[in-house]
Amino acid sequence: QKEVEQNSGPLSVPEGAIASLNCTYSDRGSQSFFWYRQYSGKSPELIMFIYSNGDKEDGRFTAQLNKASQYVSLLIRDSQPSDSATYLCAVNMAAGNKLTFGGGTRVLVKP
Amino acid sequence: DVKVTQSSRYLVKRTGEKVFLECVQDMDHENMFWYRQDPGLGLRLIYFSYDVKMKEKGDIPEGYSVSREKKERFSLILESASTNQTSMYLCASSQGPGPDYEQYFGPGTRLTVT
Repeated sequence: QKEVEQNSGPLSVPEGAIASLNCTYSDRGSQSFFWYRQYSGKSPELIMFIYSNGDKEDGRFTAQLNKASQYVSLLIRDSQPSDSATYLCAVNMAAGNKLTFGGGTRVLVKP
Repeated sequence: DVKVTQSSRYLVKRTGEKVFLECVQDMDHENMFWYRQDPGLGLRLIYFSYDVKMKEKGDIPEGYSVSREKKERFSLILESASTNQTSMYLCASSQGPGPDYEQYFGPGTRLTVT
């Protein structure tokens, strides 16, 4: 089992719809969670981070964390074609004091 | 603006060569990282450093070494390049110390080993 797992996609959503991305992790002691966006041919950039159970909203993005079920999700509301990218989940595992990235979910927003 | 620069965008080397990839950041960050990115495998951590002269192995350190003699510079060394080291290499830095800070990535070096 991978330490951080994401569905590779592509996740195809119509413009204006909600894109829902999921990430599961293996280390129950993990403390902090990050979502990075990577456009094709570009480097990753941070969208959001979340430390506590529940929801955290930033503009059209909402991160949701459930430590008991060991998953973190990212919702993109009112999806735009410019949201088409690969989204990487990263987890600070309790063991190792470093971030571990998932394989990424490719999102395609169709006009 | 944080700027992370990498010495080359594209590099072609022969099997067995010693390869140096250099990364420089201009924001006085404590942390620096080297990743490789391969299709379907995401970002995999090779080495990281939370302080000058300090280095720690990541998830896939075999075949690599690093050097951090100055705070702003972190070098990745492939002692004897092999074809399975053909990949995109990304350097990153963050404020630190520790992992709970936004990482800023360089543009990447696409290394091909023939």
